Amino acid sequence: DTEVTQTPKHLVMGMTNKKSLKCEQHMGHRAMYWYKQKAKKPPELMFVYSYEKLSINESVPSRFSPECPNSSLLNLHLHALQPEDSALYLCASSQAVGTQYFGPGTRLTVL
Amino acid sequence: GDSVTQMEGPVTLSEEAFLTINCTYTATGYPSLFWYVQYPGEGLQLLLKATKADDKGSNKGFEATYRKETTSFHLEKGSVQVSDSAVYFCAPQGNQGGKLIFGQGTELSVKP
Repeated sequence: DTEVTQTPKHLVMGMTNKKSLKCEQHMGHRAMYWYKQKAKKPPELMFVYSYEKLSINESVPSRFSPECPNSSLLNLHLHALQPEDSALYLCASSQAVGTQYFGPGTRLTVL
Repeated sequence: GDSVTQMEGPVTLSEEAFLTINCTYTATGYPSLFWYVQYPGEGLQLLLKATKADDKGSNKGFEATYRKETTSFHLEKGSVQVSDSAVYFCAPQGNQGGKLIFGQGTELSVKP
Protein backbone atom coordinates (compact mmCIF):
# COMPACT_ATOMS: atom_id res chain seq x y z
CA ASP A 1 0.00 0.00 0.00
CA THR A 2 1.48 3.34 -1.08
CA GLU A 3 -1.35 5.59 0.01
CA VAL A 4 -1.02 9.03 1.43
CA THR A 5 -4.32 10.63 2.43
CA GLN A 6 -5.05 14.33 2.74
CA THR A 7 -8.00 16.21 4.22
CA PRO A 8 -9.87 18.26 3.33
CA LYS A 9 -9.96 17.88 -0.43
CA HIS A 10 -11.08 21.48 -0.89
CA LEU A 11 -10.85 24.46 1.47
CA VAL A 12 -12.07 28.03 1.11
CA MET A 13 -10.97 30.48 3.76
CA GLY A 14 -10.89 34.19 4.42
CA MET A 15 -7.74 36.11 5.13
CA THR A 16 -8.50 36.26 8.86
CA ASN A 17 -9.35 32.59 9.30
CA LYS A 18 -7.29 29.88 10.92
CA LYS A 19 -7.46 26.44 9.35
CA SER A 20 -5.40 23.26 9.19
CA LEU A 21 -4.53 20.76 6.48
CA LYS A 22 -3.98 17.15 7.46
CA CYS A 23 -1.89 14.39 5.95
CA GLU A 24 -1.60 10.75 6.99
CA GLN A 25 0.43 7.75 5.88
CA HIS A 26 0.70 4.22 7.26
CA MET A 27 3.68 2.99 5.26
CA GLY A 28 6.14 3.37 8.11
CA HIS A 29 7.83 6.22 6.28
CA ARG A 30 9.99 8.48 8.43
CA ALA A 31 10.14 11.52 6.15
CA MET A 32 7.14 13.68 5.30
CA TYR A 33 6.89 16.71 3.04
CA TRP A 34 4.66 19.68 2.27
CA TYR A 35 4.63 21.13 -1.24
CA LYS A 36 2.76 24.03 -2.78
CA GLN A 37 1.72 23.84 -6.43
CA LYS A 38 0.34 26.70 -8.46
CA ALA A 39 -1.58 26.04 -11.66
CA LYS A 40 0.57 24.76 -14.54
CA LYS A 41 3.73 24.85 -12.39
CA PRO A 42 5.80 22.13 -10.71
CA PRO A 43 5.44 21.54 -6.97
CA GLU A 44 7.57 23.75 -4.73
CA LEU A 45 8.96 22.25 -1.56
CA MET A 46 7.90 24.01 1.63
CA PHE A 47 8.88 21.78 4.58
CA VAL A 48 10.48 18.43 5.29
CA TYR A 49 10.13 16.44 8.50
CA SER A 50 12.58 13.64 9.15
CA TYR A 51 11.97 11.36 12.12
CA GLU A 52 9.34 13.84 13.32
CA LYS A 53 11.78 16.74 13.39
CA LEU A 54 11.69 19.68 11.01
CA SER A 55 14.75 19.28 8.81
CA ILE A 56 14.07 21.67 5.92
CA ASN A 57 12.14 24.94 5.85
CA GLU A 58 12.39 26.55 2.45
CA SER A 59 12.02 30.11 3.78
CA VAL A 60 8.25 29.77 3.99
CA PRO A 61 6.33 32.72 5.51
CA SER A 62 5.35 32.25 9.16
CA ARG A 63 1.66 32.28 8.28
CA PHE A 64 2.29 28.61 7.36
CA SER A 65 3.12 26.51 10.42
CA PRO A 66 3.88 22.81 10.07
CA GLU A 67 3.46 20.22 12.78
CA CYS A 68 4.31 16.53 12.96
CA PRO A 69 2.46 15.03 15.96
CA ASN A 70 3.72 11.50 15.25
CA SER A 71 5.39 9.46 12.55
CA SER A 72 2.12 8.96 10.62
CA LEU A 73 0.65 12.44 10.73
CA LEU A 74 1.60 15.79 9.30
CA ASN A 75 -0.37 19.01 9.69
CA LEU A 76 -0.07 22.41 8.10
CA HIS A 77 -1.63 25.22 10.13
CA LEU A 78 -2.75 28.26 8.17
CA HIS A 79 -3.31 31.73 9.56
CA ALA A 80 -3.75 35.17 7.97
CA LEU A 81 -3.18 33.87 4.46
CA GLN A 82 -3.16 36.04 1.37
CA PRO A 83 -5.03 35.44 -1.90
CA GLU A 84 -1.73 34.56 -3.59
CA ASP A 85 -1.49 31.58 -1.23
CA SER A 86 -4.32 29.93 -3.15
CA ALA A 87 -2.88 26.74 -4.59
CA LEU A 88 -2.86 22.96 -4.43
CA TYR A 89 -1.07 21.79 -1.29
CA LEU A 90 0.50 18.37 -1.62
CA CYS A 91 1.79 16.09 1.08
CA ALA A 92 4.32 13.34 0.40
CA SER A 93 6.17 10.71 2.40
CA SER A 94 9.21 8.51 1.91
CA GLN A 95 11.64 6.26 3.68
CA ALA A 96 14.43 8.33 5.23
CA VAL A 97 15.69 9.11 1.71
CA GLY A 98 13.99 7.52 -1.24
CA THR A 99 10.94 7.48 -3.44
CA GLN A 100 8.38 10.08 -2.44
CA TYR A 101 4.70 9.10 -2.54
CA PHE A 102 2.22 11.92 -2.89
CA GLY A 103 -1.28 12.42 -1.62
CA PRO A 104 -4.14 13.78 -3.74
CA GLY A 105 -3.71 17.30 -2.40
CA THR A 106 -5.87 19.97 -0.82
CA ARG A 107 -7.06 22.70 -3.14
CA LEU A 108 -6.99 25.92 -1.12
CA THR A 109 -8.75 29.13 -2.07
CA VAL A 110 -8.11 32.27 -0.03
CA LEU A 111 -10.69 35.00 -0.43
CA GLY B 1 23.23 23.86 -8.15
CA ASP B 2 21.18 20.88 -9.29
CA SER B 3 18.79 21.57 -12.15
CA VAL B 4 16.64 19.82 -14.73
CA THR B 5 15.55 20.81 -18.22
CA GLN B 6 12.41 19.23 -19.53
CA MET B 7 10.84 19.39 -22.94
CA GLU B 8 8.28 22.16 -23.12
CA GLY B 9 4.68 21.43 -23.87
CA PRO B 10 1.95 21.21 -24.60
CA VAL B 11 2.44 18.10 -26.69
CA THR B 12 -0.55 16.95 -28.74
CA LEU B 13 -0.56 13.45 -30.24
CA SER B 14 -3.05 11.16 -31.88
CA GLU B 15 -3.92 7.89 -30.20
CA GLU B 16 -1.35 5.13 -30.86
CA ALA B 17 1.40 7.64 -31.70
CA PHE B 18 4.92 7.32 -30.28
CA LEU B 19 5.80 9.57 -27.37
CA THR B 20 9.15 11.00 -26.30
CA ILE B 21 9.52 13.61 -23.58
CA ASN B 22 13.11 14.76 -23.17
CA CYS B 23 14.69 15.36 -19.78
CA THR B 24 18.28 16.32 -19.02
CA TYR B 25 19.70 17.19 -15.63
CA THR B 26 22.67 18.70 -13.87
CA ALA B 27 23.52 17.19 -10.51
CA THR B 28 26.49 16.25 -8.40
CA GLY B 29 27.09 12.56 -7.90
CA TYR B 30 24.63 9.97 -9.12
CA PRO B 31 21.10 11.07 -8.32
CA SER B 32 18.10 8.78 -8.44
CA LEU B 33 15.80 9.78 -11.31
CA PHE B 34 12.01 9.85 -11.32
CA TRP B 35 9.11 10.51 -13.63
CA TYR B 36 5.86 11.57 -11.98
CA VAL B 37 2.50 11.98 -13.70
CA GLN B 38 -0.32 14.31 -12.68
CA TYR B 39 -3.77 13.67 -14.09
CA PRO B 40 -6.21 16.60 -14.17
CA GLY B 41 -7.38 17.58 -10.70
CA GLU B 42 -5.18 15.03 -8.93
CA GLY B 43 -1.93 14.77 -7.01
CA LEU B 44 1.33 13.38 -8.37
CA GLN B 45 1.74 9.68 -9.00
CA LEU B 46 5.06 7.93 -9.35
CA LEU B 47 5.29 6.65 -12.91
CA LEU B 48 8.76 5.09 -12.91
CA LYS B 49 12.24 5.48 -11.51
CA ALA B 50 15.87 4.47 -11.97
CA THR B 51 18.54 4.58 -9.33
CA LYS B 52 21.79 3.91 -11.18
CA ALA B 53 23.40 4.29 -14.57
CA ASP B 54 21.92 2.16 -17.38
CA ASP B 55 18.91 1.20 -15.26
CA LYS B 56 15.64 1.19 -17.18
CA GLY B 57 12.50 2.14 -15.33
CA SER B 58 9.19 0.99 -16.79
CA ASN B 59 5.50 1.08 -15.94
CA LYS B 60 2.19 1.11 -17.86
CA GLY B 61 4.06 0.92 -21.18
CA PHE B 62 6.29 3.90 -20.34
CA GLU B 63 10.06 3.51 -20.21
CA ALA B 64 13.06 5.67 -19.37
CA THR B 65 16.76 4.77 -19.23
CA TYR B 66 19.28 6.40 -16.89
CA ARG B 67 21.98 7.72 -19.23
CA LYS B 68 24.88 8.93 -17.15
CA GLU B 69 27.05 9.92 -20.12
CA THR B 70 24.40 12.30 -21.45
CA THR B 71 22.80 13.06 -18.04
CA SER B 72 19.41 12.28 -19.53
CA PHE B 73 16.29 10.35 -18.58
CA HIS B 74 13.96 10.62 -21.56
CA LEU B 75 10.44 9.22 -21.21
CA GLU B 76 9.06 7.07 -24.05
CA LYS B 77 5.92 5.14 -24.86
CA GLY B 78 5.33 3.24 -28.04
CA SER B 79 1.60 3.79 -28.37
CA VAL B 80 -0.19 6.46 -26.34
CA GLN B 81 -3.82 6.34 -25.31
CA VAL B 82 -6.31 9.09 -24.57
CA SER B 83 -6.07 8.11 -20.91
CA ASP B 84 -2.37 9.11 -20.93
CA SER B 85 -3.37 12.77 -21.20
CA ALA B 86 -1.73 14.38 -18.18
CA VAL B 87 1.23 16.48 -17.08
CA TYR B 88 4.54 14.63 -16.77
CA PHE B 89 7.33 15.78 -14.44
CA CYS B 90 10.96 14.67 -14.58
CA ALA B 91 12.63 14.85 -11.16
CA PRO B 92 16.20 14.00 -10.20
CA GLN B 93 16.67 13.53 -6.48
CA GLY B 94 19.44 15.70 -5.15
CA ASN B 95 21.88 14.89 -2.40
CA GLN B 96 20.48 17.48 -0.01
CA GLY B 97 18.04 15.62 2.18
CA GLY B 98 16.54 13.75 -0.74
CA LYS B 99 15.02 16.85 -2.32
CA LEU B 100 13.34 16.33 -5.68
CA ILE B 101 14.33 18.82 -8.37
CA PHE B 102 11.23 19.10 -10.57
CA GLY B 103 11.26 20.01 -14.22
CA GLN B 104 8.69 22.48 -15.46
CA GLY B 105 6.34 19.70 -16.52
CA THR B 106 5.18 18.64 -19.97
CA GLU B 107 1.48 18.64 -20.69
CA LEU B 108 0.44 15.79 -22.96
CA SER B 109 -2.88 15.75 -24.77
CA VAL B 110 -3.83 12.61 -26.71
CA LYS B 111 -6.65 12.91 -29.22
CA PRO B 112 -8.77 9.96 -30.36
